[in-house]
Amino acid sequence: AQSVAQPEDQVNVAEGNPLTVKCTYSVSGNPYLFWYVQYPNRGLQFLLKYITGDNLVKGSYGFEAEFNKSQTSFHLKKPSALVSDSALYFCAVRERDTDKLIFGTGTRLQVFP
Amino acid sequence: EAQVTQNPRYLITVTGKKLTVTCSQNMNHEYMSWYRQDPGLGLRQIYYSMNVEVTDKGDVPEGYKVSRKEKRNFPLILESPSPNQTSLYFCAGGQGPTYEQYFGPGTRLTVT
Repeated sequence: AQSVAQPEDQVNVAEGNPLTVKCTYSVSGNPYLFWYVQYPNRGLQFLLKYITGDNLVKGSYGFEAEFNKSQTSFHLKKPSALVSDSALYFCAVRERDTDKLIFGTGTRLQVFP
Repeated sequence: EAQVTQNPRYLITVTGKKLTVTCSQNMNHEYMSWYRQDPGLGLRQIYYSMNVEVTDKGDVPEGYKVSRKEKRNFPLILESPSPNQTSLYFCAGGQGPTYEQYFGPGTRLTVT
């Protein structure tokens, strides 16, 4: 069965520093991978996705993610964090032969001034 | 502007009293789904629909029903709510499961 893990409940980073939010997955075959962000009292918003092609995917608000097939990871990164990036981040995966989307448990990112 | 609306936004009800949470999208999208969000458990898919009259179970379908009679609407039905269904519910729509999903604002349900 497909699954996705976000090993960190919370990530703290100082404004201006690079940030990484980790995600690992378990699926059979090649996955579709996604990152979403949830700001307080809001629904989720799409950040980026990996379907095929370049392992480095660029998305909204300066975020990017690197697909690593050998490590089954899809970590979210940003070179310079902003206080306004503070939110809850979700990784999601879809196996190619199903229509289900599986979300991780979420990682809360706190960016301190 | 792509929009998914849910109603009601907040609902407090009692065990066993049937309720429906409506979801509507204005994007003519094929794929719609329902999720529940619980602390420590993240988002879990309840049901999804690939098109009108086509629905499938997600990971936590027990105690829920859905219908897709029109492309734009995808209501979530709790025929006999129980306290363990107290949660934050999100509806989402997209062209398909591989595409960006647009989420509604959420419905906070409390079952006492």
